[in-house]
Amino acid sequence: QVQLVQSGAEVKKPGASVKVSCKASGYTFTSYDVNWVRQATGQGLEWMGWMNPNSGNTGYAQTFQGRVTMTRNTSISTAYMQLSSLRSEDTAVYYCARGVDKGGTKTSDYWGQGTLVTVSS
Amino acid sequence: DIQMTQSPSTLSASVGDRVTITCRASQSISSWLAWYQQKPGKAPKLLIYKASSLESGVPSRFSGSGSGTEFTLTISSLQPDDFATYYCQQCNSYSWTFGQGTKVEIK
Repeated sequence: QVQLVQSGAEVKKPGASVKVSCKASGYTFTSYDVNWVRQATGQGLEWMGWMNPNSGNTGYAQTFQGRVTMTRNTSISTAYMQLSSLRSEDTAVYYCARGVDKGGTKTSDYWGQGTLVTVSS
Repeated sequence: DIQMTQSPSTLSASVGDRVTITCRASQSISSWLAWYQQKPGKAPKLLIYKASSLESGVPSRFSGSGSGTEFTLTISSLQPDDFATYYCQQCNSYSWTFGQGTKVEIK
């Protein structure tokens, strides 16, 4: 069965960086994009960007350009999202999600369990 | 960037009610729209893709319609398991935007 398992909760100080991992199983990792979406407490979903695990190509939301880096290690079927220059507003649950093309609609059918990142001095 | 606006933000309804949620795009997105359901503390779950196609395993009481800039998600007969927050999502040139969400509460 398809599973995306994310790394555990993190607490970081303002200005630091965080790197969240997302280990895929149950499917061919390089055949599907990985998207990252975050959600602040009590707020809506915010798309951060995508990565193609086969090519390593990425696309980032303008909001995060220059602060986010998405990478992968295909030998262990794991995707990573690194966010730098953290500020308190970055406190949120970060999700990875498998990207699929369904009838021309690019969406996500499987999601990780989420990783809480808390930014606090 | 394409903006997605959902209405209402909160909806109070009873079991058995017919419920409709609207999502409007700031420019035409053809039928490139998906709907998700999210429960507290859980990841979103895909319900509808391509505006009106039901994801495998999703109950048939859920349906989607629309194209261009206006879309709707309808739950034909609300069940206890359906009380949750619903989000629309567009993908244009591989840049996604979500609506702000509609919380369906028990009346």
